[in-house]
Amino acid sequence: DTGVSQDPRHKITKRGQNVTFRCDPISEHNRLYWYRQTLGQGPEFLTYFQNEAQLEKSRLLSDRFSAERPKGSFSTLEIQRTEQGDSAMYLCASSPLLNYNEQFFGPGTRLTVL
Amino acid sequence: KQEVTQIPAALSVPEGENLVLNCSFTDSAIYNLQWFRQDPGKGLTSLLLIQSSQREQTSGRLNASLDKSSGRSTLYIAASQPGDSATYLCAVPSGGSYIPTFGRGTSLIVHP
Repeated sequence: DTGVSQDPRHKITKRGQNVTFRCDPISEHNRLYWYRQTLGQGPEFLTYFQNEAQLEKSRLLSDRFSAERPKGSFSTLEIQRTEQGDSAMYLCASSPLLNYNEQFFGPGTRLTVL
Repeated sequence: KQEVTQIPAALSVPEGENLVLNCSFTDSAIYNLQWFRQDPGKGLTSLLLIQSSQREQTSGRLNASLDKSSGRSTLYIAASQPGDSATYLCAVPSGGSYIPTFGRGTSLIVHP
């Protein structure tokens, strides 16, 4: 399978706990994006990387959120001290160097904070 | 800031009907517009990407048009099937960015 993969697919946690999600982009795609989607809404941009550099962060990305892409391949998104409002689908997408226009999405990680 | 509106929010039709889904956006300085499909609880599948220099794109029973000057795109689905049931999302970047703003989507149900 050469698509974008995300792990885990589902995560249930208690308020106040830390969680970490992983995204593996399509091989050789140098841009990687994180989005958050709540019920009935379209995805909202959180942040993106070009190779290992984090180039843009949305104001939605509070200081409890941190994202990394240390080797320019996979990426992790960590949420510290989770709140019930963090419950959402977290989507990862990647795009190739020669066509930033088009993004390819992974299946998402569904987070439920109790 | 780009704002994207999709109409209708929901649509329920019998199998075989031809459908038109609408997307409007406020900032016409765009590189492209992309239509996605999302099944319940799943990620997004790209359907069609229209570059700013293009007026339409076709893939099978799907046809998407783009009118930058009026800030509109339509997704036309011919001869709808139950398997087309999903949410259809329109995504439009702005301000010289490749980062898209998404609409809330049109939830489509095609019943046999």
